Amino acid sequence: GAVVSQHPSWVICKSGTSVKIECRSLDFQATTMFWYRQFPKQSLMLMATSNEGSKATYEQGVEKDKFLINHASLTLSTLTVTSAHPEDSSFYICSAPPLAGGPRQNEQFFGPGTRLTVL
Amino acid sequence: SQQGEEDPQALSIQEGENATMNCSYKTSINNLQWYRQNSGRGLVHLILIRSNEREKHSGRLRVTLDTSKKSSSLLITASRAADTASYFCADNAGNNRKLIWGLGTSLAVNP
Repeated sequence: GAVVSQHPSWVICKSGTSVKIECRSLDFQATTMFWYRQFPKQSLMLMATSNEGSKATYEQGVEKDKFLINHASLTLSTLTVTSAHPEDSSFYICSAPPLAGGPRQNEQFFGPGTRLTVL
Repeated sequence: SQQGEEDPQALSIQEGENATMNCSYKTSINNLQWYRQNSGRGLVHLILIRSNEREKHSGRLRVTLDTSKKSSSLLITASRAADTASYFCADNAGNNRKLIWGLGTSLAVNP
């Protein structure tokens, strides 16, 4: 159990286009999901916390108009990179903790990541 | 921003040897976790050790926690080539369920 999927696994796009990445919890519900960005050989950088039914909470320095997050249901969060530029090229990973109160509530379950390349 | 420190940054060993990596924080530790990431993939949860625990085992993994030093170590015994990956520590930041991540250790196990 506790599987998180991401789609697409990789995407190549032209500069100026928008790209949507989906994160789904397949067998559990998640009121919260986290979006990370990771550069090669570096740690994860938290971009934002996605909250089901309310606005996302962005980390300092992350442009909310650039990285649009929508958490429309208990199993789906989307990240849209708007007007993508080459510097947005990165590995984007989502994660979801299970609902609070369970034995694994402090863990996070990760999607396999999405490799974005902006030309 | 807060971040855990990990050492070594990179570790290269031969199959069969043990691998030890360390993690430390500037703030008190809540629920220290270790994750593994294969190249270009998502992260997999390995083990969690709570602030009131000192040592935990899972298969070939052994994790220790020293709350006075705000540090943890991950030991992988009898390493295999398949253990080659990056290993990250992470700690819960509080009620918002965010994780504060270490910088990671890149482990290469040579056959």
